[in-house]
Amino acid sequence: AQTVTQSQPEMSVQEAETVTLSCTYDTSESDYYLFWYKQPPSRQMILVIRQEAYKQQNATENRFSVNFQKAAKSFSLKISDSQLGDAAMYFCAYRSAYGRQRNRDDKIIFGKGTRLHILP
Amino acid sequence: AAGVIQSPRHLIKEKRETATLKCYPIPRHDTVYWYQQGPGQDPQFLISFYEKMQSDKGSIPDRFSAQQFSDYHSELNMSSLELGDSALYFCASSLSDRGGETQYFGPGTRLLVL
Repeated sequence: AQTVTQSQPEMSVQEAETVTLSCTYDTSESDYYLFWYKQPPSRQMILVIRQEAYKQQNATENRFSVNFQKAAKSFSLKISDSQLGDAAMYFCAYRSAYGRQRNRDDKIIFGKGTRLHILP
Repeated sequence: AAGVIQSPRHLIKEKRETATLKCYPIPRHDTVYWYQQGPGQDPQFLISFYEKMQSDKGSIPDRFSAQQFSDYHSELNMSSLELGDSALYFCASSLSDRGGETQYFGPGTRLLVL
């Protein structure tokens, strides 16, 4: 079974600084997707960034980028120029790429989350 | 752009009562997922539907049932409610192209069982 581990329950960063959230995962599959979801105090689950395992290039979305190390099964999120609105719980998540096509599940497996505080 | 709609947004029930949560996926999305997020917890997968058929099942209690209708909306029915069922229930939807990898989440239904 796949697992997702976030070893940092909480982190703090000064506004405008850069912060990196760590995530490791375990899987025996070769094709999968990795995600970072943001959950602000409203508790809405917002997709931040997505990475396909078959792509070597790291995904980037504006101030958000990932460092995907497939061999190490590591998937960290870097937030540049941190803003007060970035304060939230961040979940790293995994999803098999095989899903229904090969009679496998396509549910998302979440890590326990990292709560990010932005210091003004 | 249209998003996933969930209703009601908030629900308060007594123990042993029944609750029905509704989910309206993004138009043209054919897959619906239900997740449960307890206080301070990560979301846990409950059940999913593809083209109105159950496609996967997670840690969903036998007291819960769900279905997807012809218009692709889904309902999660919860009976004999327990205090531990108090949680945020998310519905997510996706389009099954190349596995429909991205699931878009609704705002959630906050259920409180007293």
